[in-house]
Amino acid sequence: KQEVTQIPAALSVPEGENLVLNCSFTDSAIYNLQWFRQDPGKGLTSLLLIQSSQREQTSGRLNASLDKSSGRSTLYIAASQPGDSATYLCAVTKTGANNLFFGTGTRLTVIP
Amino acid sequence: DAGITQSPRHKVTETGTPVTLRCHQTENHRYMYWYRQDPGHGLRLIHYSYGVKDTDKGEVSDGYSVSRSKTEDFLLTLESATSSQTSVYFCAISDRGWGYEQYFGPGTRLTVT
Repeated sequence: KQEVTQIPAALSVPEGENLVLNCSFTDSAIYNLQWFRQDPGKGLTSLLLIQSSQREQTSGRLNASLDKSSGRSTLYIAASQPGDSATYLCAVTKTGANNLFFGTGTRLTVIP
Repeated sequence: DAGITQSPRHKVTETGTPVTLRCHQTENHRYMYWYRQDPGHGLRLIHYSYGVKDTDKGEVSDGYSVSRSKTEDFLLTLESATSSQTSVYFCAISDRGWGYEQYFGPGTRLTVT
């Protein structure tokens, strides 16, 4: 089974700071990895999807990297804003498994 | 936002009663999924559909059944609700299956008393 871990569970940073969120997974045989954002009481919003053959993906102030061999991904957020406050989830699709394995998320608070 | 709605958005029911949750999409996506989200567990797959009348079990399917009679609707039924099924339920859709992005609905908060 694929285990996905996100540490820390919660993070507070002052506005304007650059930050990194971490995601690790136990089985490197993945098809892709996705990062999602979840606002309180809301559904998930897909931020970035990295295929297993890729090393990184960028969207605006977000950059996600993938090191499949070490079972790690990072989400880099540049120049954080209070509107970035949310829970960030990573999820992996394991090769040959019809499932999306989620981490439990990192709750980010950006302090004005 | 992808055109996904879930109904009801909130429901309180008693142990032993049947409950049906509905997911409706306007995107004409082939694949639809039901997840539950619980503290400490993240999201876990319950069932998914890869076409009309084509469904398969996920990681936590016991106590749940699904049906998909048309592309736009995917129903999740709890035949006899139990307190362990208290959770937030999310529907998701994708147009090309497991290797591609999934788009999530707003969720249904279900409480079984």
